[in-house]
Amino acid sequence: DTAVSQTPKYLVTQMGNDKSIKCEQNLGHDTMYWYKQDSKKFLKIMFSYNNKELIINETVPNRFSPKSPDKAHLNLHINSLELGDSAVYFCASSQGHAGGYGYTFGSGTRLTVV
Amino acid sequence: DAKTTQPNSMESNEEEPVHLPCNHSTISGTDYIHWYRQLPSQGPEYVIHGLTSNVNNRMASLAIAEDRKSSTLILHRATLRDAAVYYCILRVRAQKLVFGQGTRLTINP
Repeated sequence: DTAVSQTPKYLVTQMGNDKSIKCEQNLGHDTMYWYKQDSKKFLKIMFSYNNKELIINETVPNRFSPKSPDKAHLNLHINSLELGDSAVYFCASSQGHAGGYGYTFGSGTRLTVV
Repeated sequence: DAKTTQPNSMESNEEEPVHLPCNHSTISGTDYIHWYRQLPSQGPEYVIHGLTSNVNNRMASLAIAEDRKSSTLILHRATLRDAAVYYCILRVRAQKLVFGQGTRLTINP
C-alpha cells in the first residue's frame, strides 16, 4: 500500500482554470505538508497542517487554499491558475512536528499550465 | 532558517563507500540533522536523522562531529540506484524542513 498518495499524477490545464490536487496518507501521521518544486528544482514548503489545524502558511498567493477534512487528508485547491504555477507539487506527512521525526513524501503531481 | 552547506556535486564508483559532507556551523542545541534524497522523477525520500550521536540504519550511517557543526552521510557500498540529489537539512523547533540545493551524487559503473 502506498504510504502517501497524490492524485492526479499529471495535470495539464489552461490559464484561469481552477484545479485541485488530493493527498492521502495511511501512516497514521498527524501532520501533513505541501511542498512545491519549481523548474530549478528547489523544494519550498507551502503549507502544513497538524491535526487538521493550519500551522504553517508560507508566503503563497491566496489563490492557493489547502483543506484538511481529517488527519489523513490534505487537499490543495488552486484558483485562477497562472503559467508560473507550473511545477511539481509534493505532499508529505510526519508523526509529530518536533525535530526528531522524518517526513514521508508522495510521488508528486506535475502541474502544467498552458 | 538554519543553513547548511553542501558540495554541488560528487562522483563515486559502484560498490565503493561514499562520504557526503555537510556543514552547519550555526546549528543550535535542539536542531536535528536530517538527510533526504531525491531520485530522478520521484519525491524526496527520508534517509536518516540524528541529534548528537552517530546513527546507523539499513540505508546509511550518519556521523556527527563532536561540536555538531558538521556531519557526514556515509553510503557503505554505493549502487547505481543511489544516484540522486542528497539534501542535508536542519530541522528546527518549527514544523518544517527547509531544503537547500543538495549534492548531486553520480555513481559510475
